Amino acid sequence: SQQGEEDPQALSIQEGENATMNCSYKTSINNLQWYRQNSGRGLVHLILIRSNEREKHSGRLRVTLDTSKKSSSLLITASRAADTASYFCATSPGSGNTGKLIFGQGTTLQVKP
Amino acid sequence: NAGVTQTPKFRVLKTGQSMTLLCAQDMNHEYMYWYRQDPGMGLRLIHYSVGEGTTAKGEVPDGYNVSRLKKQNFLLGLESAAPSQTSVYFCASSHRTGPSEAFFGQGTRLTVV
Repeated sequence: SQQGEEDPQALSIQEGENATMNCSYKTSINNLQWYRQNSGRGLVHLILIRSNEREKHSGRLRVTLDTSKKSSSLLITASRAADTASYFCATSPGSGNTGKLIFGQGTTLQVKP
Repeated sequence: NAGVTQTPKFRVLKTGQSMTLLCAQDMNHEYMYWYRQDPGMGLRLIHYSVGEGTTAKGEVPDGYNVSRLKKQNFLLGLESAAPSQTSVYFCASSHRTGPSEAFFGQGTRLTVV
C-alpha cells in the first residue's frame, strides 16, 4: 500500500477562500514534499519540509508537519482559479536521504471563479 | 533547458509485445525514478536508481525492468505487455545531496490492447 494518504480526495471552493489539504504517512521520514499537477501534465514541486521542521511558508503556501502524528497539511491562502489542480504529498522514508520518494493519492482542488 | 525528457509521449501496444520507455535528464542528477499513474491511485513508484549502474525496486516493480547504463538515462522496459499496464508513466530525477526536489517529465501515455 502507498505510504501517503491524502484527504480530502476532492475539494471545491470559491476564489478567495483558503484551501487545506492533509497528508498522513506510515513510516518515519527524512522529509516531506508537496507537488502540484495540472491536468495531463507532469508534476511540479511546490515546497519541501524537513523532518526537524514544523512549519514552512512559500508565498501563499503554508505547510505544517507533525512527525508525532505522521501527518502534514498544505494550506493555500486566497485561492485563485489558476490554483485548480491536483496536489500530492511525497515522502522520503527513513532517516537519511535514501533516494526513495513515495507519493500519496492526491487531492483534486477546484477553485471556482 | 530540456530538464527531463520522456520518449515516446504516446504508444499503443498489443498484449504480449515489448517496448522500452526512455527517460533522459540534463541536470546531472544522481537519482532517477519511474512512476505509473492510474485514476484514483496517485503515483506509484515502479523502480528507482540512486546512481549510474544501480537500480532498486519500488512499490509496483512486477512486469517491469529498468537499466541505468548512463547517468543521464533511465530506461523502463516491458517485456510482455499486459492490459493492466495501461497507464501514464512518469519519469523524474533529483540531486543526491540533501533533501532535494524531484523534476518530472511530461509523461508517456501507454495503452495495451
